[in-house]
Amino acid sequence: DAGITQSPRHKVTETGTPVTLRCHQTENHRYMYWYRQDPGHGLRLIHYSYGVKDTDKGEVSDGYSVSRSKTEDFLLTLESATSSQTSVYFCAISVMEDTEAFFGQGTRLTVV
Amino acid sequence: RKEVEQDPGPFNVPEGATVAFNCTYSNSASQSFFWYRQDCRKEPKLLMSVYSSGNEDGRFTAQLNRASQYISLLIRDSKLSDSATYLCVVRETDNYGQNFVFGPGTRLSVLP
Repeated sequence: DAGITQSPRHKVTETGTPVTLRCHQTENHRYMYWYRQDPGHGLRLIHYSYGVKDTDKGEVSDGYSVSRSKTEDFLLTLESATSSQTSVYFCAISVMEDTEAFFGQGTRLTVV
Repeated sequence: RKEVEQDPGPFNVPEGATVAFNCTYSNSASQSFFWYRQDCRKEPKLLMSVYSSGNEDGRFTAQLNRASQYISLLIRDSKLSDSATYLCVVRETDNYGQNFVFGPGTRLSVLP
């Protein structure tokens, strides 16, 4: 299995609080992604990174920010969590822009 | 928004059956194609990449028809362990740069 670790694995937080999810990889892959998965929507791209300090928005980026200060770490921040951000969040990595992606185990976030 | 569509499912088949999944994609410029499987409450895992010439991995065969923008997955001699949701994934360049676009998935239950 690809060396991808997401933390925390589960989190319950209150509306309006900031939340940061971490994705750590040991594969030295250039590309990293954050997806959310919701019933009826499949996986949707939030943000992605194509290198250190190089990030861009995805389809559902509103309310989220990211940072990548090191190759191995990609952080997803919910500045002020809302109930609509209750979801399962997956981090993924890929070597090149056209190669397969490998996923972390996911973070289940509940905003109450 | 470019779309990836799959058979709605669910598919309930007996052990030993052959089952086929279909997938269509709308972006003719799509570059790479994959099948992933996702077990309940787990991360998606790469099953196989799909090549223009078609490819086979044991009991699994994937086909790609670029002209029809159609991808298929055939599973022969189904096992109980094949029960999962199968995701068709297309790599394309869209408004968000390079992105993996996921189909909604087709759920397979292999019954004893």
